[in-house]
Amino acid sequence: DTGVSQDPRHKITKRGQNVTFRCDPISEHNRLYWYRQTLGQGPEFLTYFQNEAQLEKSRLLSDRFSAERPKGSFSTLEIQRTEQGDSAMYLCASSLRLVGTDTQYFGPGTRLTVL
Amino acid sequence: GENVEQHPSTLSVQEGDSAVIKCTYSDSASNYFPWYKQELGKGPQLIIDIRSNVGEKKDQRIAVTLNKTAKHFSLHITETQPEDSAVYFCAASEDFGNEKLTFGTGTRLTIIP
Repeated sequence: DTGVSQDPRHKITKRGQNVTFRCDPISEHNRLYWYRQTLGQGPEFLTYFQNEAQLEKSRLLSDRFSAERPKGSFSTLEIQRTEQGDSAMYLCASSLRLVGTDTQYFGPGTRLTVL
Repeated sequence: GENVEQHPSTLSVQEGDSAVIKCTYSDSASNYFPWYKQELGKGPQLIIDIRSNVGEKKDQRIAVTLNKTAKHFSLHITETQPEDSAVYFCAASEDFGNEKLTFGTGTRLTIIP
């Protein structure tokens, strides 16, 4: 399977703990996006990378959130001191940015539950 | 920023009938409009997209229409089948620079056998 993969698929944690999620994009895709999806809503943009550079962060991404893409391939999203409001599905998408096209392909997501 | 509204939130149709989902957007700079299908426990899957230089695009039983003047676009599914049952999301973005997607709130489509 050469699609976007995410790990873990599910994470249950206690409030105040730190969690880290991983996303592996489609090979050679130069853009990687993180979105958050709460129950009954559409995905909301969090941040994106072009290669290893983080180019934009949403105001939804508080100081407790940090994302990296150190070698321009996989990415990690860390949430420190988790809160119950962080419970959501965290989706990763990747795309190959060429002139006039940027179709985003999504992974299966990581469902986070904060108790 | 961009705001995308989607209607209806739920839709039930008889198998074989057509389904139409409508979206409106607010930012006139948006020029890329994808539709995603999301099944339970899975990530969104792209089913069709359209750019502002065309008014309609078809792919077998699925079609999308775009009215840039009115800032609305629609998804049409013909000859619906049970496997079409899912949540469908429309989205909008600019095609240059940061192509972050702004999504609608989704339509839960149920096909009645």
